[in-house]
Order: sequence, then C-alpha cells, then structure tokens
Amino acid sequence: EAGVTQFPSHSVIEKGQTVTLRCDPISGHDNLYWYRRVMGKEIKFLLHFVKESKQDESGMPNNRFLAERTGGTYSTLKVQPAELEDSGVYFCASRLSVSYEQYFGPGTRLTVT
Amino acid sequence: AQSVAQPEDQVNVAEGNPLTVKCTYSVSGNPYLFWYVQYPNRGLQFLLKYITGDNLVKGSYGFEAEFNKSQTSFHLKKPSALVSDSALYFCAVSSREGYQKVTFGTGTKLQVIP
Repeated sequence: EAGVTQFPSHSVIEKGQTVTLRCDPISGHDNLYWYRRVMGKEIKFLLHFVKESKQDESGMPNNRFLAERTGGTYSTLKVQPAELEDSGVYFCASRLSVSYEQYFGPGTRLTVT
Repeated sequence: AQSVAQPEDQVNVAEGNPLTVKCTYSVSGNPYLFWYVQYPNRGLQFLLKYITGDNLVKGSYGFEAEFNKSQTSFHLKKPSALVSDSALYFCAVSSREGYQKVTFGTGTKLQVIP
C-alpha cells in the first residue's frame, strides 16, 4: 500500500510569492490533515478534511492560507502571499474513519526568504 | 485546550542502556495518546498508541510506553537502546470527544551513543 505522499519535498520562495503544496493521502482515507512545524517548535494542527469538507480549520494562521480538497482525494495548501514566518515543514496526514492512527507524509520543507 | 509537554530537548543514552523519553499531557476527559518518531529526511512514523485498557502499551521496534493517569504522563521506554534508535520523538494527545485533532509536543531528540 502506498503511503501518504507530498510534493514538493522542498520549496524555496521569496517573500510575497505564492506556493502550493500538495498532499496525496492513502487511498480510501476519508480524513486528511495538515500540520506545520516551525523550526524547533511543536507540530501544530492547521486543518482537517473529511472527504471534501473542512471539518476543522481552527489552526489556519490567517487568510493567506487556503486549503482545498476537491473530490475528496488529494489536497492542496496554498500560501499567498508568503511571509518569512511561514517557513517550516508542512506535514500532511490521513486516517481511516474507523481508526485512531494518522499516517503522515514526509513533509514539505518551505523556506521563505 | 489540550497540550503536551516534552521537557527534554535532547536525551543521550549509551547503546545497550535503557532509555526513557518523557511526556506529560493535558486534555479534557480521557485521552488518546501517541508516540511518533521522525528519522532524518523522513516523515513522522507511528510508534504506538494508548486508547484504553492496559496502561503499558507495546509498540514498534521494541518501544513501550506507560500511561499514568494520576501523573498525566505517557513516557516512552525501551529496555536496551540501539544506535539506530537515534531520531526525533514526538508525543501527541487527542481527546476522546474530538479525537480527530492531535496536539503534538515539541519533540525530543534521542541520541544513542555507541
């Protein structure tokens, strides 16, 4: 079974530019999560999809962040315009509704210069 | 609000010695507790979880964790450390009322010295 995949693995952009991160969950997993880890700090929850619907987006930092999950399969997280404090590692995770375990992707390291 | 504390940024242990990585939590009601490990340039990998039942939970790679409700702790342990255990370990919690949202600690770097 393929795991959660994320693209790109690393992105370096300038302040003010736009970046789109992609997450492909494990096939059949209805639940999809985005998390972020800023250097040296905890991994923070951003939002949670159940299929294509946003179940909880309480962790989204501000309106520069937009997440979508059209069709309930892969998800994108767009940052527009990017700021320096957006730098960090963005993790995606997916989960079967009947399970407690979230499976994480390798993360996308975003560097805003 | 739920939270997790990992009081040690780094733990050093000699190969073959027992290891402990500490974790305490705060959550409303009964918790779901997790340990994840991150190896260099890899994603987070699930190690073990406590949902209900026995307080001692066994997981992957010989790791185990003990749930202590009175101390609100969930320390990760292994009887004999391997150099290959060197990695970043994250403790996480979610409440049973909303177990979908997981809160992580800041992570503890484990260094096993040959």
